[in-house]
Amino acid sequence: GESVGLHLPTLSVQEGDNSIINCAYSNSASDYFIWYKQESGKGPQFIIDIRSNMDKRQGQRVTVLLNKTVKHLSLQIAATQPGDSAVYFCAENTAGSARQLTFGSGTQLTVLP
Amino acid sequence: GAVVSQHPSRVICKSGTSVKIECRSLDFQATTMFWYRQFPKKSLMLMATSNEGSKATYEQGVEKDKFLINHASLTLSTLTVTSAHPEDSSFYICSARDSIAGGYNEQFFGPGTRLTVL
Repeated sequence: GESVGLHLPTLSVQEGDNSIINCAYSNSASDYFIWYKQESGKGPQFIIDIRSNMDKRQGQRVTVLLNKTVKHLSLQIAATQPGDSAVYFCAENTAGSARQLTFGSGTQLTVLP
Repeated sequence: GAVVSQHPSRVICKSGTSVKIECRSLDFQATTMFWYRQFPKKSLMLMATSNEGSKATYEQGVEKDKFLINHASLTLSTLTVTSAHPEDSSFYICSARDSIAGGYNEQFFGPGTRLTVL
């Protein structure tokens, strides 16, 4: 059920700095991980994904790191821009017929001018 | 890229009425669609998995008679909130998986529907 009283973790960075958003996932059997960006009032937007047989993947200005030993995922955003301000969710996907996603709690990223 | 639409984008209704939300995959076929619910400042919670031509699979704690799901075609799934009450007010988001792409094919998300029950 919903967690009452817990606030969304926040991260504030200066424009131009690098951002690192962290996520702890729950299921050691998860084999596919995705980072999503969600702006206010909109649906999640795919950023980058990584499979469990990899520990790093790079995209344009973004890098995802996966540490299966401690079940940790991170998203690095280089040269953070005002348009990067949003809530970022990690999601894990466990092998199965439906390949459902389980979302993390999210991090609110605010880029300061 | 793959596009998923939702209609309506927002709806306000009176308590006791039923509301239908449509989710469409516009340029791909989706045998599986997912319905999520999101409260303010919270994460997405999976409500149910919608399979084309068969009954939906509901997550624990989600009332199937309250949230009716129909997935009659490869491009359309509907969620009907029956006898809506103020506690059903939320942001409802659907996603769709591309049936053609195999393996780790990603889910494409709709823009969400804001439901407010007065």
